[in-house]
Amino acid sequence: GAVVSQHPSWVICKSGTSVKIECRSLDFQATTMFWYRQFPKQSLMLMATSNEGSKATYEQGVEKDKFLINHASLTLSTLTVTSAHPEDSCVYICSSISYSGNTIYFGEGSWLTVV
Amino acid sequence: RKEVEQDPGPFNVPEGATVAFNCTYSNSASQSFFWYRQDCRKEPKLLMSVYSSGNEDGRFTAQLNRASQYISLLIRDSKLSDSATYLCVVNPRTGNQFYFGTGTSLTVIP
Repeated sequence: GAVVSQHPSWVICKSGTSVKIECRSLDFQATTMFWYRQFPKQSLMLMATSNEGSKATYEQGVEKDKFLINHASLTLSTLTVTSAHPEDSCVYICSSISYSGNTIYFGEGSWLTVV
Repeated sequence: RKEVEQDPGPFNVPEGATVAFNCTYSNSASQSFFWYRQDCRKEPKLLMSVYSSGNEDGRFTAQLNRASQYISLLIRDSKLSDSATYLCVVNPRTGNQFYFGTGTSLTVIP
């Protein structure tokens, strides 16, 4: 079964609005989660590392004020896309890693379309 | 320079063919390497880890060349169901981040 679960799977929003995506770890505590985005026919691009109880670490070029990450508990990290624009339309995928660090568990992805 | 570079393809091969993908990484201290498979509109799924000694799982063989800083994936006797995008993934050991190659698209043709 799924180890990491995302919600919603699909979302359409109007330009200028905000969208929150949830990422939950099931049956394990994830002190660290990762947020990726993937545009059509491109690979996953790491956006940020979400650390439980502290601020997220953003990759270069990712606007931290636009992509708000909150990791308030060991089983939940959220990504809020603020003031969404059509160019933000893509799939957002979260992941966590096993205790051994050898396996990446991915959420099912959240497909965002901004109209 | 990108952490991980990969030929995006596409590779179109007939059933039964052997196909190989390569992926290079920039950080010589990288410790963990993986091949993931991603089907259209799905999340990536682990195909296999890549060990220094190389490893094989059925029709799939993965190898690591630390001297040249690349990993490879060999698929023998391709099946239609092998059609997907194959992503190489590297942990550069600067944290717990994992970096992905652009993915190589494979289509196996009947």
